[in-house]
Amino acid sequence: DGGITQSPKYLFRKEGQNVTLSCEQNLNHDAMYWYRQDPGQGLRLIYYSQIVNDFQKGDIAEGYSVSREKKESFPLTVTSAQKNPTAFYLCASSVADLDGYTFGSGTRLTVV
Amino acid sequence: AQSVAQPEDQVNVAEGNPLTVKCTYSVSGNPYLFWYVQYPNRGLQFLLKYITGDNLVKGSYGFEAEFNKSQTSFHLKKPSALVSDSALYFCAVRDTGRRALTFGSGTRLQVQP
Repeated sequence: DGGITQSPKYLFRKEGQNVTLSCEQNLNHDAMYWYRQDPGQGLRLIYYSQIVNDFQKGDIAEGYSVSREKKESFPLTVTSAQKNPTAFYLCASSVADLDGYTFGSGTRLTVV
Repeated sequence: AQSVAQPEDQVNVAEGNPLTVKCTYSVSGNPYLFWYVQYPNRGLQFLLKYITGDNLVKGSYGFEAEFNKSQTSFHLKKPSALVSDSALYFCAVRDTGRRALTFGSGTRLQVQP
């Protein structure tokens, strides 16, 4: 079945650590996106990529980094510079930006 | 910059009654509008979109949305609510400047049996 897979489902980070969240899709979608979800704030855009080897910053890119070396993969690294990383992270993909997004099931990141 | 507002944090409705979840938007240029639903600890699911054409858009699970340009609104509706419709609903607008969606803060729909 085609879909978008995020791993791990739960992730714990110690202070000062970098962690990487995985996002893989087998839908042959060109565009991929990372959003952060906090209670009462909806989804905020971190990074997005419309094509391989190209990506753009969203509204809250500080403290995060991404790569898009393959069409299927769009990993997100949460660096130690992100001071408040505890949140639910959602990855999405779409054929084109006017199509509906397909979302992964999310990764819940907690700082311990 | 584009934005959407969902003025209600929560909407309560009895099963079998019609439901409306409100969304207003602010865009420069043509509005491209979307509705998504989220069940607990899951990703979002696409319900419907308005790009152009008829003001009444039909989507998944019996939902529809009415685009009103003069009121800059895109309210989500369903004629008869089900308990299983209880979830978090997000309105979104495509940002013409950056080709990605900007989401509202979400509205929790609670359908009582």
